[in-house]
Amino acid sequence: DTGVSQDPRHKITKRGQNVTFRCDPISEHNRLYWYRQTLGQGPEFLTYFQNEAQLEKSRLLSDRFSAERPKGSFSTLEIQRTEQGDSAMYLCASSADRGGTDTQYFGPGTRLTVL
Amino acid sequence: AQSVSQHNHHVILSEAASLELGCNYSYGGTVNLFWYVQYPGQHLQLLLKYFSGDPLVKGIKGFEAEFIKSKFSFNLRKPSVQWSDTAEYFCAVIGGATNKLIFGTGTLLAVQP
Repeated sequence: DTGVSQDPRHKITKRGQNVTFRCDPISEHNRLYWYRQTLGQGPEFLTYFQNEAQLEKSRLLSDRFSAERPKGSFSTLEIQRTEQGDSAMYLCASSADRGGTDTQYFGPGTRLTVL
Repeated sequence: AQSVSQHNHHVILSEAASLELGCNYSYGGTVNLFWYVQYPGQHLQLLLKYFSGDPLVKGIKGFEAEFIKSKFSFNLRKPSVQWSDTAEYFCAVIGGATNKLIFGTGTLLAVQP
């Protein structure tokens, strides 16, 4: 496995701009997750996909946030009209559905700074 | 709502000291438990996990954790730490009909040579 990859690794933007992050899961992993981590906290769940279907969304995912996984492979997370409070590390994880609880493998994250 | 508590936010140990990091969760049903580690400059990696069976779970690099259902705990242990164990350690739980991980706030471990 080549591991979960995320792009970009760092993003600096001005308040009000839109940003989009990409996540490529481990090949053949059909589940993909997005988490957000702020300083001094553990990762917080945002949303998850099974194949191309978005099955669960956190209340943290405001209407400015949208995630897609159109072909069941890579995923994008877009934040519209960014706010300073959106500054965080955005983590992607993937797992293989083997009929029970699966193990999630994390990518390196995209660090977003909103000025 | 599910939650995870890690009471030790920052731990400093000398090499060869024994380590125990506390983790307590709140959820009354069946749980799956994890410890992840984040070494400086690296991404989150799985250290060990408990799904069912023997409550004493062994992971990588000599770490182990014990699931005590009656105490809602999943403490991480290592008999003798090394400088290379310096990292941040996160306890996490999955409970109920969900696949989302609920993480604790993490414990930053610094091992002095």
